[in-house]
Amino acid sequence: GAVVSQHPSRVICKSGTSVKIECRSLDFQATTMFWYRQFPKQSLMLMATSNEGSKATYEQGVEKDKFLINHASLTLSTLTVTSAHPEDSSFYICSAVDNRGRSTDTQYFGPGTRLTVL
Amino acid sequence: QKEVEQNSGPLSVPEGAIASLNCTYSDRGSQSFFWYRQYSGKSPELIMFIYSNGDKEDGRFTAQLNKASQYVSLLIRDSQPSDSATYLCAVNMGGAQKLVFGQGTRLTINP
Repeated sequence: GAVVSQHPSRVICKSGTSVKIECRSLDFQATTMFWYRQFPKQSLMLMATSNEGSKATYEQGVEKDKFLINHASLTLSTLTVTSAHPEDSSFYICSAVDNRGRSTDTQYFGPGTRLTVL
Repeated sequence: QKEVEQNSGPLSVPEGAIASLNCTYSDRGSQSFFWYRQYSGKSPELIMFIYSNGDKEDGRFTAQLNKASQYVSLLIRDSQPSDSATYLCAVNMGGAQKLVFGQGTRLTINP
């Protein structure tokens, strides 16, 4: 159990375009999902907390108008990188909290989306 | 600032030996502790979590938690080359299921 998928796995786009990344919990419902970004040889950087049915909570320094998050259902959260620029090129990873069982705060990660902005 | 610290390594261990990974955290009130493994170019995968002081074993992995000293460790017995990866320590410091991650320890198992 606790499988999280992401789509697409890899995207290359031109500067100025918008890119949407989907994160799905496949075998459980997730009221809370998280979006992270990871640059090469660095650790995960939390961008925002996505809560089903409410607005996302963004970490300090993350532009909410640039990184739009929508958590419309208990199994789907989307991250849209608007007007992407080369400096947005990174590995974007989502995670979902599986509230079943003993652990109520265990995060399971999706496989990630590698974004390259030309 | 709430922090989780790990030695970035690289930590090199011969195949078959025990690999020991350590992590310290700043918030004494932390309740949940996690170890993730991340292969190069891939996303993190959960190895195990621990809530209570003491040891928790799962196969070749043992997590150890000492809340008084604010450290958590991961032991890997009978290390295999496939264990070579970056190991991330993560701590829930009471922020609505949010985890604070360490910078990770790069582990290499030498055949």
